[in-house]
Amino acid sequence: GAGVSQSPSNKVTEKGKDVELRCDPISGHTALYWYRQSLGQGLEFLIYFQGNSAPDKSGLPSDRFSAERTGGSVSTLTIQRTQQEDSAVYLCASSRRSHTNTGELFFGEGSRLTVL
Amino acid sequence: AQTVTQSQPEMSVQEAETVTLSCTYDTSESDYYLFWYKQPPSRQMILVIRQEAYKQQNATENRFSVNFQKAAKSFSLKISDSQLGDAAMYFCAYRNSNSGYALNFGKGTSLLVTP
Repeated sequence: GAGVSQSPSNKVTEKGKDVELRCDPISGHTALYWYRQSLGQGLEFLIYFQGNSAPDKSGLPSDRFSAERTGGSVSTLTIQRTQQEDSAVYLCASSRRSHTNTGELFFGEGSRLTVL
Repeated sequence: AQTVTQSQPEMSVQEAETVTLSCTYDTSESDYYLFWYKQPPSRQMILVIRQEAYKQQNATENRFSVNFQKAAKSFSLKISDSQLGDAAMYFCAYRNSNSGYALNFGKGTSLLVTP
């Protein structure tokens, strides 16, 4: 596609429910990133995928968070048993191969998650 | 770990005037990239300008320019001839050149542009 596409744009859920957030990166971009943006905070790195390599999950805040990337393209971020502190905007970004580019990330418009 | 600090939570500028947003960072690396991203209300982050640490010349993109002071680990953004469309959150970000790939972001500066 022309840009990074994320869905849903907004999601309201009840505490304890599971949610899935989807990211469709720019065609041809092999690197995909998930960030979390909480109110008044900067962007917190969550997870990184590069091609078929094992993802870097070092930023995931707890084992309730997981992500997968099927076929090297679309990614899904799953949050199990959501808590109110999970409320945030979840941003997805993609880029060309990380070691050959100058670091520019292309972002989607994010998914705003509200946990009641 | 590298940290990025933006000490100005909010800034205001009048249309057509110039404003400077501050950013400092902490790193022991010598080769890295620095970025300014803009986030309008649509939430989509957009790259404004990029600086490679090995380049002494300050990057410039039309009305946007940076003042990169490597020894001081300072990377400020100057917006000239401010326009109403410049109103947004601005994030400073850092990335190692040779190791790491994720950007480290500051907490952002909210820029208000008044007519």
